[in-house]
This record gives sequence, C-alpha cells and structure tokens, in this order.
Amino acid sequence: EIVMTQSPATLSVSPGERATLSCRASQSVTSNLVWYQQKPGQAPRLLIYGASTRATGIPARFSGSGSGTEFTLTINTMQSEDIAIYYCQQYNNWPPWTFGQGTKVEIK
Amino acid sequence: EVQLLESGGGLVQPGGSLRLSCAASGFTFSIYVMSWVRQAPGKGLEWVSSVSGSGYTTYFADSVKGRFTISRDNSKNTLYLQMNSLRADDTAVYYCAKDYYSDTSGHPYYFDYWGQGTLVTVSS
Repeated sequence: EIVMTQSPATLSVSPGERATLSCRASQSVTSNLVWYQQKPGQAPRLLIYGASTRATGIPARFSGSGSGTEFTLTINTMQSEDIAIYYCQQYNNWPPWTFGQGTKVEIK
Repeated sequence: EVQLLESGGGLVQPGGSLRLSCAASGFTFSIYVMSWVRQAPGKGLEWVSSVSGSGYTTYFADSVKGRFTISRDNSKNTLYLQMNSLRADDTAVYYCAKDYYSDTSGHPYYFDYWGQGTLVTVSS
C-alpha cells in the first residue's frame, strides 16, 4: 500500500499571501495524483488531477506540481474562501486508492 | 447537473447491518465506476469500495473486506453498500463518489463528484 504523507498539518496564511502544501508518497506514483478541497461541513471537491491540471471551474490561483514522490499544491493570493482542508490522493498503485491525512489551511 | 444523494445511514449496534443507497442523476450512470469513501469524525478520507460500470468488478479496502458488499442497479441509477458485522471503527460519514473517467478499465481513478454523505454511527 502506498502511504501518502502531507505537511504541514496546519498552515496559517495571511490574506493575499501564498500557501504551499506538500504531499509525499512512500513510493513513486508518477503523475497519478490529485488534490481535493474540503470546506467545513461539505463534501470534497476535485481541484487538481494529473498532479498539475486544474479541474473544471477551479480558479487559476490554485496550481499543482511535482512527480514521482514529491508534490506541491500552491494557493497564490490566499483568500478567505480558501479556508479548508486539502487532501492529496494517489491513483497509481491500487487497491487501495490512498489519501493523505490532510492539511488544514486557515487565515492568519 | 450531476447529483448524488446518499441515504440509509443511522445508528446501529455493533455486529449489526445497514444498507446505504446512492441515487444518481445528471449523467449516464451505467458507464462510470462508482465508489464509496468514508470519513470518520474529525478524521481524513478513506476509500472503502468501488464497482465497475457493469457491476461485475468490485474492489474493497482490507478494513471492510468480507463484511461489506457493493452493488449497483443501473436500471435505477442507484449504488448500494451493504454493511454487515459493523464495528465501532466503521462510524463515519459515507460518501458516494463518481469517477472522473467513463469506465474502460473497470477500476476508479479519482472522483469528480461527491454526494453530501450519510452518517453511520455504530454504538451500543
């Protein structure tokens, strides 16, 4: 089973600043990685697939990068509506399809 | 508009059973792999089970294998999760999720639409 590890657990970002979230895989997942956003009380929403492609309707301030075992989600110009928990998920080696434990992003 | 509406959650005693349903609309249900993903209170996401578009191929997490069964009725656009021998650590919100790609391989990739979830509480 591939273990996904996200860091940090919590990230405090000032409005307008950049947020950088990390996701590490226990072995290579090539570019088969996605990011989800989950706001309080809501279901997850697909943000990024293929490590770097934004899903339909996702603002350009969200970007993904990385391949192999190291991945990054960047939120440029943090906005209050971006307060959420962000999860990565690999779909390279399965079953199981595995998620990271999440990074909580809050406003400083 | 894609909609996924889960139902069937509730309070059940340890060792009991429950069947979850997910009514789908807004897309051609039969050509997509469908999955269940759960989230224990205050915890992260855990993939539980998936079923191919035809219903012939299924996958289960080790934590539920032998206790849970996944199925679908494409004539009713509905996904099911039969949960038996429930344990306290099965307590979670259960989400129904649609795969991004139409089914050509029988397995999921990732999930572009999620329902709002149904809460299952296993407690005496």
